[in-house]
Amino acid sequence: AQSVTQPDIHITVSEGASLELRCNYSYGATPYLFWYVQSPGQGLQLLLKYFSGDTLVQGIKGFEAEFKRSQSSFNLRKPSVHWSDAAEYFCAVGGMGQGGKLIFGQGTELSVKP
Amino acid sequence: GAVVSQHPSWVICKSGTSVKIECRSLDFQATTMFWYRQFPKQSLMLMATSNEGSKATYEQGVEKDKFLINHASLTLSTLTVTSAHPEDSSFYICSAKGAEAFFGQGTRLTVV
Repeated sequence: AQSVTQPDIHITVSEGASLELRCNYSYGATPYLFWYVQSPGQGLQLLLKYFSGDTLVQGIKGFEAEFKRSQSSFNLRKPSVHWSDAAEYFCAVGGMGQGGKLIFGQGTELSVKP
Repeated sequence: GAVVSQHPSWVICKSGTSVKIECRSLDFQATTMFWYRQFPKQSLMLMATSNEGSKATYEQGVEKDKFLINHASLTLSTLTVTSAHPEDSSFYICSAKGAEAFFGQGTRLTVV
């Protein structure tokens, strides 16, 4: 079955600390992987995506993610968190044959302490 | 990046009435659009795939007669929630498929 798991429902980090949000996927074909951020009551903004090539991808706002096929993971990282990063983060997987249809993880809510 | 506009951003309606939500791709043509539903503190669940000029494809468990989807042009898809009930209250988000999937801002529907 195709699925995305984000094991951490809620994470709190101090401003300036590093961040890693976990994402594991199960997908029968070559996965296209995405990380989105959602502020309360808002739509989704794409942070970064992986289709192929270099397994370490850089995104906007200083985020990066690493695709590890052997672990079926696509964890999101940021070296130094800012208070404005507090939001809900979603990992998603799709495939070339899916025409853009995405399967989302449950989301991880990030809180940032001053 | 490409822009997808969703309207309205929020709507309150009475139980039993119908509500239409629009999803427009502003600067590209989208032959395929997707409609998602998001309950509070939960993830996005795909409701249906909207294809321009043809019938929408609904995911299992989604009532096609209740959630009417029309994709009459390459830049516009609409979702109509018919005979809305309080349990239909939710956050509805569309996405349009260009080079990647671009998401609208979402519509908060509250049925009272």
